[in-house]
Amino acid sequence: DAGVTQSPTHLIKTRGQHVTLRCSPISGHKSVSWYQQVLGQGPQFIFQYYEKEERGRGNFPDRFSARQFPNYSSELNVNALLLGDSALYLCASSPIGVGYEQYFGPGTRLTVT
Amino acid sequence: SQELEQSPQSLIVQEGKNLTINCTSSKTLYGLYWYKQKYGEGLIFLMMLQKGGEEKSHEKITAKLDEKKQQSSLHITASQPSHAGIYLCGADIPGGSQGNLIFGKGTKLSVKP
Repeated sequence: DAGVTQSPTHLIKTRGQHVTLRCSPISGHKSVSWYQQVLGQGPQFIFQYYEKEERGRGNFPDRFSARQFPNYSSELNVNALLLGDSALYLCASSPIGVGYEQYFGPGTRLTVT
Repeated sequence: SQELEQSPQSLIVQEGKNLTINCTSSKTLYGLYWYKQKYGEGLIFLMMLQKGGEEKSHEKITAKLDEKKQQSSLHITASQPSHAGIYLCGADIPGGSQGNLIFGKGTKLSVKP
């Protein structure tokens, strides 16, 4: 079975631009969470979506938004990019109601110049 | 807010040696997760612990959660080069829904052949 997939793998953007990152969960998983991992730090929780509804939000500005589609895939959008947004963005899916483990994708490396 | 502190920050061991990584929480843990990460890649789920005193093993890796549920340890027996990577502990955010995790900063493990 395919794991969590994310696209693109790498991305370079300029300050002030907008970016959209995509995630496809493991088949059968209805929950998707997004995390930001800055170099040398642990991942920081951004959003959780379950059944297309936001179920949790971390301490991130309104420039960050996300949504989940009927097929449970998800997008993370970041507006007005700042240099500090440069990070590895990780998506994780889990079968809420069945198990508790979160399975992470390979991540999208975003560089803001 | 809850914080997870990992120790040591980094570790270099000779192949075949045993090692232990610790994760300490400022508050009671309701779900403790161990992940492994290769540099710049996604997280690989290792184990989840929920009950005080719980211990789980997978191959040569054993994880324990203390009775007070504020500290966990990850023990690797007879380390191999394949064990090298960054080990992260994560925990359910208190009051958050399942899937909202906070993480420690990670422990970087190098294994010398």
